[in-house]
Amino acid sequence: DTGVSQNPRHKITKRGQNVTFRCDPISEHNRLYWYRQTLGQGPEFLTYFQNEAQLEKSRLLSDRFSAERPKGSFSTLEIQRTEQGDSAMYLCASSLGNSNQPQHFGDGTRLSIL
Amino acid sequence: GESVGLHLPTLSVQEGDNSIINCAYSNSASDYFIWYKQESGKGPQFIIDIRSNMDKRQGQRVTVLLNKTVKHLSLQIAATQPGDSAVYFCAETPGNAGNMLTFGGGTRLMVKP
Repeated sequence: DTGVSQNPRHKITKRGQNVTFRCDPISEHNRLYWYRQTLGQGPEFLTYFQNEAQLEKSRLLSDRFSAERPKGSFSTLEIQRTEQGDSAMYLCASSLGNSNQPQHFGDGTRLSIL
Repeated sequence: GESVGLHLPTLSVQEGDNSIINCAYSNSASDYFIWYKQESGKGPQFIIDIRSNMDKRQGQRVTVLLNKTVKHLSLQIAATQPGDSAVYFCAETPGNAGNMLTFGGGTRLMVKP
């Protein structure tokens, strides 16, 4: 399967802990996106990368959220000092770098904060 | 698996009938639109897209219609099958926004055998 891969699929942690999620995009895609989805809602954009450059991060929910894509391939999303409200599905998507190309999503990481 | 969209608008159709799912968007600068299908416990799956210089695009069993005058998008599914049961989202983006997608609220499609 050469689709977008996300790990772990599920993460349960105590409030206050740090968590990190990984996304491996489709190999030829140079754009990578992170979204958050809560129950009953559509995905909400967080940030995106063109190769290793993070071109938009103003939509990250707070300064506890950060993302990296150091070599322009896989990406990580970290949440520090997790809070109950961080419980959600975190989705990664990738696309080709041209305008108006469809984004293809992974199956997400479900985060549950105890 | 996890249930997506417990309180979404629901469209219930009989197997074999055609389905029409509607979406209104608000950003007049949006020039690219996508329909996604999301099954329980999975990420959104690309179905079909359309650019603002078109008003209709067809795929396999699916058609997307775009009315820019009233900012309305629809997805038509022909001969709906049980495997089409899912939550459907429309998404939009202005062409200069790095493809940052803004998603609509979603519609649950239930297909009765």
